[in-house]
Amino acid sequence: QQQVKQSPQSLIVQKGGISIINCAYENTAFDYFPWYQQFPGKGPALLIAIRPDVSEKKEGRFTISFNKSAKQFSLHIMDSQPGDSATYFCAATKAAGNKLTFGGGTRVLVKP
Amino acid sequence: KAGVTQTPRYLIKTRGQQVTLSCSPISGHRSVSWYQQTPGQGLQFLFEYFSETQRNKGNFPGRFSGRQFSNSRSEMNVSTLELGDSALYLCASSLGIFSGTANEKLFFGSGTQLSVL
Repeated sequence: QQQVKQSPQSLIVQKGGISIINCAYENTAFDYFPWYQQFPGKGPALLIAIRPDVSEKKEGRFTISFNKSAKQFSLHIMDSQPGDSATYFCAATKAAGNKLTFGGGTRVLVKP
Repeated sequence: KAGVTQTPRYLIKTRGQQVTLSCSPISGHRSVSWYQQTPGQGLQFLFEYFSETQRNKGNFPGRFSGRQFSNSRSEMNVSTLELGDSALYLCASSLGIFSGTANEKLFFGSGTQLSVL
């Protein structure tokens, strides 16, 4: 059972453009939503995370938007750079201590 | 400060064999989790250990097992390997018991790429 659905599977954006990745979850018990960035040959690295009591969180060029009623959250990468080319995973967990449930991943390619 | 170290980096086995993968967490981290990454299934949780005790287990068959030692180092074992076990196995560590939560960031190693022929 896929509890976190992520789209699109891949996207290509021009340098300076905006990359948008969407995720939807089913389990209303989830209350912590991190995003991970993974480069080829490396493990995922925490990029940014949000709790459902906040509708938006921004860190540099990365912004998470959260819609609790729709059970959806998204990652926006502003002013995308070639160095942002990577696979991005959304995830969800219960903050009381549990495993991470990951979305399927989005491969982002930023063209110079 | 060294990151999460996984050994070996690559491994080739044949069906029916067993394999042991090793993970050394970041110094001071006491929680270790294991994930399987495949192109088809993505990242799936295997199990989590804290202070040598398994706290959580994912939906994998009993062929997959793990353990944690007193120094927090962890191993996972897969017995009777199947072709479908070919995957990148990722180990992640965190400081305390609530790995991946707002208070406990999860740090991943680069993984062990297992190929089963």
